[in-house]
Amino acid sequence: QKEVEQNSGPLSVPEGAIASLNCTYSDRVSQSFFWYRQYSGKSPELIMSIYSNGDKEDGRFTAQLNKASQYVSLLIRDSQPSDSATYLCAVKEYNTDKLIFGTGTRLQVFP
Amino acid sequence: EADIYQTPRYLVIGTGKKITLECSQTMGHDKMYWYQQDPGMELHLIHYSYGVNSTEKGDLSSESTVSRIRTEHFPLTLESARPSHTSQYLCASSGGTGPPYEQYFGPGTRLTVT
Repeated sequence: QKEVEQNSGPLSVPEGAIASLNCTYSDRVSQSFFWYRQYSGKSPELIMSIYSNGDKEDGRFTAQLNKASQYVSLLIRDSQPSDSATYLCAVKEYNTDKLIFGTGTRLQVFP
Repeated sequence: EADIYQTPRYLVIGTGKKITLECSQTMGHDKMYWYQQDPGMELHLIHYSYGVNSTEKGDLSSESTVSRIRTEHFPLTLESARPSHTSQYLCASSGGTGPPYEQYFGPGTRLTVT
């Protein structure tokens, strides 16, 4: 059973701090990885995708991928209360276009 | 503007009724997906389609059915709604043949069966 694991949280960080969200996956041949943000009662919103080892930056967000260790992380710099949401990690299943989602990490940014 | 649309956004309906949840996209994508998500729980893929006249069941067993007669349209039908079908239904789409295979979600339909 292919799995994507995330700490459910909540992860609480003060405003302005760096929030670090982690995700591990079980299928070693997975190639593409995604972070989604989901506000309560809303649909998931794509933040970043990454498929090469290393870091990928987009504004305040940095995704980090380490295929050898089978983990992907998301850093949020200068966290804002509006970043408070559940962050979903997703992994594309090898040889299909299906995504496997983790259960999400709830982030709380307090003023 | 390229987007994914779902109607209705909210639906309360009685047991035994037939319902169709609509999903349309103007993204120009060939692949479309239906997910089911209970509050605070993970997303589960219930149906997907890689193009017109192509539909497959997902990883979560579902009593719903889908059709894909037009590229931009992927409706989901429940022939006889039951309280166990109460959930949020999310439609998504993706395009292209290479990485990163990003999926984009519609706003969702929150279904309550009484």
